[in-house]
Amino acid sequence: EDQVTQSPEALRLQEGESSSLNCSYTVSGLRGLFWYRQDPGKGPEFLFTLYSAGEEKEKERLKATLTKKESFLHITAPKPEDSATYLCAVQAVDTGNQFYFGTGTSLTVIP
Amino acid sequence: DTEVTQTPKHLVMGMTNKKSLKCEQHMGHRAMYWYKQKAKKPPELMFVYSYEKLSINESVPSRFSPECPNSSLLNLHLHALQPEDSALYLCASSQVHTYEQYFGPGTRLTVT
Repeated sequence: EDQVTQSPEALRLQEGESSSLNCSYTVSGLRGLFWYRQDPGKGPEFLFTLYSAGEEKEKERLKATLTKKESFLHITAPKPEDSATYLCAVQAVDTGNQFYFGTGTSLTVIP
Repeated sequence: DTEVTQTPKHLVMGMTNKKSLKCEQHMGHRAMYWYKQKAKKPPELMFVYSYEKLSINESVPSRFSPECPNSSLLNLHLHALQPEDSALYLCASSQVHTYEQYFGPGTRLTVT
């Protein structure tokens, strides 16, 4: 069965303290892995798509990487405005456009 | 423009009411989605439309009725809802053969 697991569930960082969020997945064939940011009460905001192992994408303080079994979202020198829930989602080859979402990591950055 | 709009932002309805949620996108996407999201949980897929035809219905109760009048619009008709249906309802869209889904801001639904 296809599964997506995110860790940790919650993360508190001091401003400037870099860290990584993890998304591990088991799918029969990966079509794409997606990272989203979600603020409370709002829709998820698209961040990155990764398609194959070894791929990396960057945006401001965020960098996403992908291996055959997991993806990492690295946050460098975070600021309080980076506080949000970060969701990863996976599409498998045999399930068309359907997303399998992880349960998310709630990030709090303390000034 | 990667905007998906949803109306209304908030909706309070009684269990005997009939209401509709609306979603609109002008990105030329031909796949549109409805998700339900409870607090501190990931979005749960409800329905998928591809080329204005319903392609996925994730065993959603019949009190939720989707409609896709054209390639830019998606509606969710609500009737005889239960208090446990209270949630954030999210619409998303994507190209059929590429993968990123773009989400709207959601409608916060409260059933009393």
